[in-house]
Amino acid sequence: EAQVTQNPRYLITVTGKKLTVTCSQNMNHEYMSWYRQDPGLGLRQIYYSMNVEVTDKGDVPEGYKVSRKEKRNFPLILESPSPNQTSLYFCASSFLPPGANVLTFGAGSRLTVL
Amino acid sequence: ELKVEQNPLFLSMQEGKNYTIYCNYSTTSDRLYWYRQDPGKSLESLFVLLSNGAVKQEGRLMASLDTKARLSTLHITAAVHDLSATYFCAVETSGSRLTFGEGTQLTVNP
Repeated sequence: EAQVTQNPRYLITVTGKKLTVTCSQNMNHEYMSWYRQDPGLGLRQIYYSMNVEVTDKGDVPEGYKVSRKEKRNFPLILESPSPNQTSLYFCASSFLPPGANVLTFGAGSRLTVL
Repeated sequence: ELKVEQNPLFLSMQEGKNYTIYCNYSTTSDRLYWYRQDPGKSLESLFVLLSNGAVKQEGRLMASLDTKARLSTLHITAAVHDLSATYFCAVETSGSRLTFGEGTQLTVNP
């Protein structure tokens, strides 16, 4: 089954304790992206990647890191989480243009930072 | 900075009624997407609009795109309870970046 898999789905952590949210896709998509969803703000892009070893900042990259060492994986790293990073996070992937950039989303990871 | 604004943000309607959700954006783009999110779930793609004048229909939903007005609409015909969800539009700009609107939370009441 074609899918984007995120782990963990739920996480409660404390300020400053490094964590990684993994994202993996099995569709051979070039494009992968991380979003955070907060009430009233829609989805805001954190980082995206057009291919292996190619990453770029989205609209809200502060406090996050990513890497793209393999095509299928795009982990999101919070080196020193803070309470304002409490949010619902989505990983998504797609093929690159010229086709339509229709994203396939993961199930989401709900993160709480105390 | 690209702004994508949806209205209304909250919509409560009765079954059988028609309504339209609007998505305005602030920069040039001819590629727009609509997604649906059920409570507690992820997003799924509804429509892909890739040119000015594009119109797509699926069941009781119809989406259109006017790139000159920088406006997309999502029209709901004879709403049913199963359409209750949050609907997002997303505008594609250079580098395949997608910027999402705030979402419209639709509730269809019996």
